[in-house]
Amino acid sequence: GNSVTQMEGPVTLSEEAFLTINCTYTATGYPSLFWYVQYPGEGLQLLLKATKADDKGSNKGFEATYRKETTSFHLEKGSVQVSDSAVYFCALKRDTGFQKLVFGTGTRLLVSP
Amino acid sequence: DSGVTQTPKHLITATGQRVTLRCSPRSGDLSVYWYQQSLDQGLQFLIQYYNGEERAKGNILERFSAQQFPDLHSELNLSSLELGDSALYFCASSAGTAGNTIYFGEGSWLTVV
Repeated sequence: GNSVTQMEGPVTLSEEAFLTINCTYTATGYPSLFWYVQYPGEGLQLLLKATKADDKGSNKGFEATYRKETTSFHLEKGSVQVSDSAVYFCALKRDTGFQKLVFGTGTRLLVSP
Repeated sequence: DSGVTQTPKHLITATGQRVTLRCSPRSGDLSVYWYQQSLDQGLQFLIQYYNGEERAKGNILERFSAQQFPDLHSELNLSSLELGDSALYFCASSAGTAGNTIYFGEGSWLTVV
């Protein structure tokens, strides 16, 4: 079946540090890949997405590249801010039929000043 | 603001009771999804509706039911509530079924005491 594996958190960084959160997936066919973010006490927000191999999704300084050969979609940011502290979820969705989002377990990011 | 509206935002109720969570999808979206987020289970897909019809079912308990109305809003009914049902319940919507981004509401926090 389809599944997503994320690195366990929490990830603790100082402000302006480089961020990588690893995400790998297992899926049949060609899924779309997503990163969602959940800030403390809030709902899920779409951060970025990529719909085919080698696509790069980007938003708010975050980037992730759809790597079919390594079945990965790692999230990166060059310089994190305290306001980036949140839980980040990697997810996939197949693009055929009635397919739901399959989420990873989430990775908590804590950024200190 | 994703455009998906959920009510109520917070709800406290006793064991054995029944509650209804309401969701209005983004304007024009035909698909509605319900997810449950709990500390021990993570984000779990419950059920999906498309234009009033049930399309996919996930880990939804028999005590739970949902429906999508002709105006496309959806309700999730939770009955015979148990302490373990305490969770954040998300509604999400998308334009269609395949190939569309899913947008989430801010969730309804349910606490069963």
